[in-house]
Amino acid sequence: DIQMTQSPYSLSASVGDRVTITCRASQTISTYLNWYQQKPGKAPKLLIYAASSLQSGVPSRFSGSGSGTDFTLTISSLQPEDFATYYCQQSYSTPYTFGQGTKLEIK
Amino acid sequence: QVQLVQSGAEVKKPGASVKVSCKASGYTFTSYGIHWVRQAPGQRLEWMGWINAGNGNTKYSQKFQGRVTITRDTSASTAYMELSSLRSEDTAVYYCARDDPSAYYYYMDVWGKGTTVTVSS
Repeated sequence: DIQMTQSPYSLSASVGDRVTITCRASQTISTYLNWYQQKPGKAPKLLIYAASSLQSGVPSRFSGSGSGTDFTLTISSLQPEDFATYYCQQSYSTPYTFGQGTKLEIK
Repeated sequence: QVQLVQSGAEVKKPGASVKVSCKASGYTFTSYGIHWVRQAPGQRLEWMGWINAGNGNTKYSQKFQGRVTITRDTSASTAYMELSSLRSEDTAVYYCARDDPSAYYYYMDVWGKGTTVTVSS
């Protein structure tokens, strides 16, 4: 199975900050990498697919980059509604696997 | 609008089975696939398996092989996930999520709200 590792595990930031979350795959996955946002008690929400494609309806302050084994999710200017947990997920091969999550908290 | 509506919470005893449903609306059910993903308390998301709602083909995680069965009823636009031989570690929220099996990249763009399954004696 492909292991997905995110860093950091948690992050404190302020409204307006620029934030970057990284995700590393245990083997190359090309750009078969998706990012999801999850708020407490809610289902995950797709933000970015294919490493850098913004899902319809997602604000443009979210962006993704990377290929191979290293990927990043960037939020250019944090808004109050962005405080949540973020997961990366590889769709290169089954079993699809997720990172452990990065919890973004208000400083 | 496109949505997936899941069945209600379940409480089961160890050794029992549970069957969770996921009813699709707002799109052509047979043109998409349905994934099942679970999340134990405080844990990461865990992929269990997938069904192509059009032709019924399935893929399962080896971790659940032999215990999980994913089916669909096209007349009801509903997918099902049955997990057998339940143990306490299966206590989790179970989500269904849609993908497009004809797309070049695979991603889960619509999710159900989740079904809580509690396994307790």
